[in-house]
Amino acid sequence: NAGVTQTPKFQVLKTGQSMTLQCAQDMNHEYMSWYRQDPGMGLRLIHYSVGAGITDQGEVPNGYNVSRSTTEDFPLRLLSAAPSQTSVYFCASSRRTGTISGNTIYFGEGSWLTVV
Amino acid sequence: AQTVTQSQPEMSVQEAETVTLSCTYDTSESDYYLFWYKQPPSRQMILVIRQEAYKQQNATENRFSVNFQKAAKSFSLKISDSQLGDAAMYFCAFGALRYGNKLVFGAGTILRVKS
Repeated sequence: NAGVTQTPKFQVLKTGQSMTLQCAQDMNHEYMSWYRQDPGMGLRLIHYSVGAGITDQGEVPNGYNVSRSTTEDFPLRLLSAAPSQTSVYFCASSRRTGTISGNTIYFGEGSWLTVV
Repeated sequence: AQTVTQSQPEMSVQEAETVTLSCTYDTSESDYYLFWYKQPPSRQMILVIRQEAYKQQNATENRFSVNFQKAAKSFSLKISDSQLGDAAMYFCAFGALRYGNKLVFGAGTILRVKS
């Protein structure tokens, strides 16, 4: 059981380049989300999905695209990288439950992205 | 909108002593939960403790306990018998049942442990 797997772990991009951060989970979780972590700001939600084919924007969606064609995968696309997108990115997943109890959220190990 | 505030950017504690990290939140939701996550230099997000809002009893996990004051919207983390391995960034986070696994995080508190 691999949990939540993010690739790549490190990436350096030039301004204007595009790339995709991959996120995969093997727990059959319905909910998946992407966060970015910047100094002094904690983690902020970029995009969110409640299941295959369904995505929604979070707090800071500009410059990012997502799609959810399968339950397992939730890639994050940077369309035209900017230095402001230099950050650490986290993918998270959890089951869809109807109760508060037992809703454990699993995080990937993070992807460090530098845009120069 | 939900907000989470951690007013202590940095805290220090002597090894074996006790330290309390503060967190306040604002919400109009009734079904919600609160978390403390630990983030060591590896950046891994490690769940320390969680508290469901409907539970009156404060959650505890070994040396970690919370003081959950629902009316005051306060959720502090107490670390007893601090160890060098406790040194990390700690995040307070808020989640609500109807928002699935969307979390709102505080800015974090860096905890330094002195030997």
